[in-house]
Amino acid sequence: GIQVEQSPPDLILQEGANSTLRCNFSDSVNNLQWFHQNPWGQLINLFYIPSGTKQNGRLSATTVATERYSLLYISSSQTTDSGVYFCAVEANNLFFGTGTRLTVIP
Amino acid sequence: DSGVTQTPKHLITATGQRVTLRCSPRSGDLSVYWYQQSLDQGLQFLIQYYNGEERAKGNILERFSAQQFPDLHSELNLSSLELGDSALYFCASSLSGISYEQYFGPGTRLTVT
Repeated sequence: GIQVEQSPPDLILQEGANSTLRCNFSDSVNNLQWFHQNPWGQLINLFYIPSGTKQNGRLSATTVATERYSLLYISSSQTTDSGVYFCAVEANNLFFGTGTRLTVIP
Repeated sequence: DSGVTQTPKHLITATGQRVTLRCSPRSGDLSVYWYQQSLDQGLQFLIQYYNGEERAKGNILERFSAQQFPDLHSELNLSSLELGDSALYFCASSLSGISYEQYFGPGTRLTVT
């Protein structure tokens, strides 16, 4: 199956800081999604972004499909942003990366 | 709230037992997917159903089976449970089978003792 690598694996930020999370994938994909898994385990859809750039409030994402990577930007981070961020790519079914664990401290 | 519901939220059972997890997709979605999240394996795709028919299979053990009913809800059956089956089991749904956004339910946390 497709390999999905996320970096960094762990990230600790001061509240108000900005961050960039990266997702690299090994083959062509039909689509790409970013999820936030909150401390209660819930997987929350952030972006459905097979290519291009999207923005939603303090979050934005860019996928460059030809170069097989996607970036998730978090600006002015808040403690509620803490959790694990997953990138998942679809090639018949969703392949998940191992995630970036983000901790935002007040 | 994604619109995907899963029951039960938590399940504790003993080795060797059999359990059934239930999922109702978002209104209008025809495709249902099952995923397993364990500490050592991460999030893994198990199986997909589309409008009642099995569409794709992933890393699903032979002890596990699933089905999608005419009302589009789905059940995942896990039998001869082992300690290593303890995990969070997610159901997701999408409008169709390929290249549509998947929405995840809250998950069922299974603990096998």
